[in-house]
Amino acid sequence: AQKITQTQPGMFVQEKEAVTLDCTYDTSDPSYGLFWYKQPSSGEMIFLIYQGSYDQQNATEGRYSLNFQKARKSANLVISASQLGDSAMYFCAMREGLDNAGNMLTFGGGTRLMVKP
Amino acid sequence: NAGVTQTPKFRVLKTGQSMTLLCAQDMNHEYMYWYRQDPGMGLRLIHYSVGEGTTAKGEVPDGYNVSRLKKQNFLLGLESAAPSQTSVYFCASRPKGRPGANVLTFGAGSRLTVL
Repeated sequence: AQKITQTQPGMFVQEKEAVTLDCTYDTSDPSYGLFWYKQPSSGEMIFLIYQGSYDQQNATEGRYSLNFQKARKSANLVISASQLGDSAMYFCAMREGLDNAGNMLTFGGGTRLMVKP
Repeated sequence: NAGVTQTPKFRVLKTGQSMTLLCAQDMNHEYMYWYRQDPGMGLRLIHYSVGEGTTAKGEVPDGYNVSRLKKQNFLLGLESAAPSQTSVYFCASRPKGRPGANVLTFGAGSRLTVL
C-alpha cells in the first residue's frame, strides 16, 4: 500500500488566489513527521513546511500552511496568494518513527502546480 | 556555504559501464541519503548512512553500492549500469537528533542516462 498519496497530478490556480494540494498518508506508528517540498523546473528540492504527529497546531510558514487532520490521515498544503514563482512540482513526504533516528523520508508522487497570470 | 554538492551533474553511460557519484556535505551532518527520481514520480530511497563507516539499504537498493569512508562524503556506485538506472539522483543530508523538523538538505541532482 502507498504510504503517501497525492491524488492531484496537476493543478491550475489563478495568480493571487489560494490553492490546496492534497496529501494522505498511511502509518501505524504514532510518531511521524510530515513534510512538503517544492521542486521548481530547475530541479532542486526546497523544503517548505513540517508537521509533527504530536503537534497540536497546524504548521504555518509565511504563505504556506499545513491543514493537518490526524483522524483522516491527511496533511494538505495550502498556499495563499499564489505567485507565478509558485509554479512547480510539490511533494508530500513522511518520516515514520522518532525524530532522532536515522529514519528516511517516503515521498508521494507529486502534484504539478501551474499558476496562471 | 556550499551545503550538499553532487558530482558529476550529468553523465551518459553505456550499458555495462561503471561509475561513481560523489556527494559531499560541509555541514557536519551525520545522516546522508541517496534518492532517485524517475520522470513524473517522487523520490525513492536507494541507500542511506547514519554515520561514518555505516550504510543501509533503502527502498530500491538493487544494482547500487555505497560507501561512507569519511563523514562528509557519501559515494553511490553503479557497477554495471543498466538502462533502468536512467534517472536523476539526489543526495541529501541532515543532522542527528535535532528536535523538531529533521529537514533534509538536498544536492542539486545528478542526471544519469544509460544507453
